[in-house]
Amino acid sequence: NAGVTQTPKFQVLKTGQSMTLQCAQDMNHEYMSWYRQDPGMGLRLIHYSVGAGITDQGEVPNGYNVSRSTTEDFPLRLLSAAPSQTSVYFCASGQRQGYQPQHFGDGTRLSIL
Amino acid sequence: GQQVMQIPQYQHVQEGEDFTTYCNSSTTLSNIQWYKQRPGGHPVFLIQLVKSGEVKKQKRLTFQFGEAKKNSSLHITATQTTDVGTYFCAGSSGTYKYIFGTGTRLKVLA
Repeated sequence: NAGVTQTPKFQVLKTGQSMTLQCAQDMNHEYMSWYRQDPGMGLRLIHYSVGAGITDQGEVPNGYNVSRSTTEDFPLRLLSAAPSQTSVYFCASGQRQGYQPQHFGDGTRLSIL
Repeated sequence: GQQVMQIPQYQHVQEGEDFTTYCNSSTTLSNIQWYKQRPGGHPVFLIQLVKSGEVKKQKRLTFQFGEAKKNSSLHITATQTTDVGTYFCAGSSGTYKYIFGTGTRLKVLA
């Protein structure tokens, strides 16, 4: 099993550009989430999903869109990149039934100039 | 909205000393999870607590969930250099929306 796979691992964007961060999991997990982690800080929840076709906002959703058309994939879209969105982005997945641990991907390091 | 605070932010200990990090939520939690993140790595799940007053142990690590389900702690006995990293708590109020604490960065001096 690959677990949670995030692509790309690194990306540099210019202000105003858009892009999609990819997240895929092969564990048949219903729950998936996106976090951002700024230097020296904790993880802040951007969006999450409890199943295909269902998404909800986290703590810091502005400037980001998500969709969940399949159980496996949960892409995160930056609509118009801003320097404040420079961060490390982590995707995570977990079983929905009960309270289950989240399995994290290796992260995408995103710099916006 | 729900907030989760962690103290201390940093902790430097000599190898062999004990270490404790505390987690406090602004709202009552249904469950709390603890994660460890090594420098440059991703968070790795350690344990989950669900019941009020619950205490769980993993070798030298002891996790506790408060009676009111609003606070939690992680205690490491006799730290080792392999314990280096940042420890996070993550709490949920039952909506699958996990809010992470600010983390405690542990450095262990050999």
